[in-house]
Amino acid sequence: EIVMTQSPATLSVSPGERATLSCRASQSVSSNLAWYQQKPGQAPRLLIYGASTRATGIPARFSGSGSGTEFTLTISSLQSEDFVVYYCQQYNNWPPWTFGQGTNVEIK
Amino acid sequence: QVQLVESGGGVVQPERSLRLSCAASGFSFSSYGMHWVRQAPGKGLEWVAVISYDGSNKYYADSVKGRLTISRDNSKNTLYLQMNSLRAEDTAVYYCAREGGDYVFDLWGRGTLVTVSS
Repeated sequence: EIVMTQSPATLSVSPGERATLSCRASQSVSSNLAWYQQKPGQAPRLLIYGASTRATGIPARFSGSGSGTEFTLTISSLQSEDFVVYYCQQYNNWPPWTFGQGTNVEIK
Repeated sequence: QVQLVESGGGVVQPERSLRLSCAASGFSFSSYGMHWVRQAPGKGLEWVAVISYDGSNKYYADSVKGRLTISRDNSKNTLYLQMNSLRAEDTAVYYCAREGGDYVFDLWGRGTLVTVSS
């Protein structure tokens, strides 16, 4: 099973600033990496797949990069609705599909 | 409207059973693989099970193998999760999710809460 590790667990950023979230895989997942956003009390929403492709309707301030075992989600200018939890997920080796433990982006 | 709506959650005693449903609408349900993903209170996401578009292939997380069974009825556009021998650690919000291209989960339901407690 591939273990996904996200860092940091909590990221404190001011509105309008850039946020950089990291995700590491225990072995290579090629570019088969997705990012999801989860707002309180809501289901996750797909943001990025293929490590860097934005899903339909996702604003351009969200971008993804990386391949192999190291990945990054960047939010270029944080809006109020972006202060929520983000998960990475690998879908290269399945089953199981595995998620990171999440990064909570909070207002500084 | 493209959506998934889960139902069937509730409070159940340990070792009892429960069946969850996920009703799909607005898309061709029979063309997609479908998953169940759960989230324990205050915790992260855990993949539970997947079923192929035609029901011919199923896979499970080790933590639920032998106790939870995924199935589907394409004539009713509905996904199911039969949960037997429930344990306290099965307490979670259960989401159904559609597997889009490239094996990512591109559509999620709002979830249904299962609480296992005596």
